[in-house]
Amino acid sequence: EAQVTQNPRYLITVTGKKLTVTCSQNMNHEYMSWYRQDPGLGLRQIYYSMNVEVTDKGDVPEGYKVSRKEKRNFPLILESPSPNQTSLYFCASSLLASGIRNEQFFGPGTRLTVL
Amino acid sequence: AQSVTQPDIHITVSEGASLELRCNYSYGATPYLFWYVQSPGQGLQLLLKYFSGDTLVQGIKGFEAEFKRSQSSFNLRKPSVHWSDAAEYFCAVGTDKLIFGTGTRLQVFP
Repeated sequence: EAQVTQNPRYLITVTGKKLTVTCSQNMNHEYMSWYRQDPGLGLRQIYYSMNVEVTDKGDVPEGYKVSRKEKRNFPLILESPSPNQTSLYFCASSLLASGIRNEQFFGPGTRLTVL
Repeated sequence: AQSVTQPDIHITVSEGASLELRCNYSYGATPYLFWYVQSPGQGLQLLLKYFSGDTLVQGIKGFEAEFKRSQSSFNLRKPSVHWSDAAEYFCAVGTDKLIFGTGTRLQVFP
């Protein structure tokens, strides 16, 4: 089944403890992206990647890192999480990096709480 | 500034009633337009999209949307709502990246 998977789905952690949220897609998509969803703010893009070893900042990149060593994986890294990073995180992918005309497929989300 | 406005935070309708969810945008040029649906505990799923051509577009699950350039709007409609349509709906626009609205939560009463 074609899908985007994220792990973990739920995570409670403490301030300053490094964590990684994994994202994997099995559709051979070039483009991958991370969003955070907060009440009243909709979805905001954190980072995106147009292909392997190519990543770029979105609208709210502060406090996050990403890497794209393989086409299928796009982990989101929080080196030193803070409470303002408590949010619902979505990974998404689309077939081609050439513009947004291609449908983005979203993972099920990761709910992160930073105490 | 580029922005997307969904003025209705929460809408409640009876099953079988018609539905219209509003979306207005501010953008330098005519962007690509999308509607996504998020069911509880799920990721977002594309309902429909508009790039060019006929301003009335059909999507999945019986939804349609109409692009009105003069009003910078892209409202989502469904003639008869089903209980399974209860979800959160997001309008999104853009040309090189997506800008999402804040969402409208739809509640359906039997």
